[in-house]
Amino acid sequence: SAVISQKPSRDICQRGTSLTIQCQVDSQVTMMFWYRQQPGQSLTLIATANQGSEATYESGFVIDKFPISRPNLTFSTLTVSNMSPEDSSIYLCSVTDPKGYEQYFGPGTRLTVT
Amino acid sequence: AQSVSQHNHHVILSEAASLELGCNYSYGGTVNLFWYVQYPGQHLQLLLKYFSGDPLVKGIKGFEAEFIKSKFSFNLRKPSVQWSDTAEYFCAVNDKGYSTLTFGKGTMLLVSP
Repeated sequence: SAVISQKPSRDICQRGTSLTIQCQVDSQVTMMFWYRQQPGQSLTLIATANQGSEATYESGFVIDKFPISRPNLTFSTLTVSNMSPEDSSIYLCSVTDPKGYEQYFGPGTRLTVT
Repeated sequence: AQSVSQHNHHVILSEAASLELGCNYSYGGTVNLFWYVQYPGQHLQLLLKYFSGDPLVKGIKGFEAEFIKSKFSFNLRKPSVQWSDTAEYFCAVNDKGYSTLTFGKGTMLLVSP
């Protein structure tokens, strides 16, 4: 299994600002995913990030709001732009095993927007 | 689009009680099925998975789940829960050939000692 770390682990941000979340994996992986877990809700996929190509966003999520970088096979960032209180959530990154079926999750970044 | 429903949002049990958490998915094609667990303050961890073969799968810590294709269900069971099983449990599905997961809303299990 992969070991995933995320930075920061938590943050409190003001409305209108942006926060960049980093995700580091201890092995090279093809696909990385970013999820959001809002209070009392399930995990919702934001986008899939493949190295060397544009991220693929799910319905309801756009690149201007959640720009993603994937500069290499072990690292990705997710930026939450122009934040509002509705963006308060836990943001998680995940990767798949080499067969592409099991997913391993990072510890999450708990974001509070005031 | 695939959807996953978990029947109970909160379950409270006493130690040694039996557990069954329901999970149903919507898409009738070939799927992979997962249960994830999130203990307080910890990462989301894979509890067990079903890809093919025996529909009764065993996972870590004495958990098992049964895939019933005709009912689109993948219920999680444990014969005797422990206080340490207190956690949130998520059912997830992906369609074969795709890596993206669709999660249920989760079930918060509280086991009282």
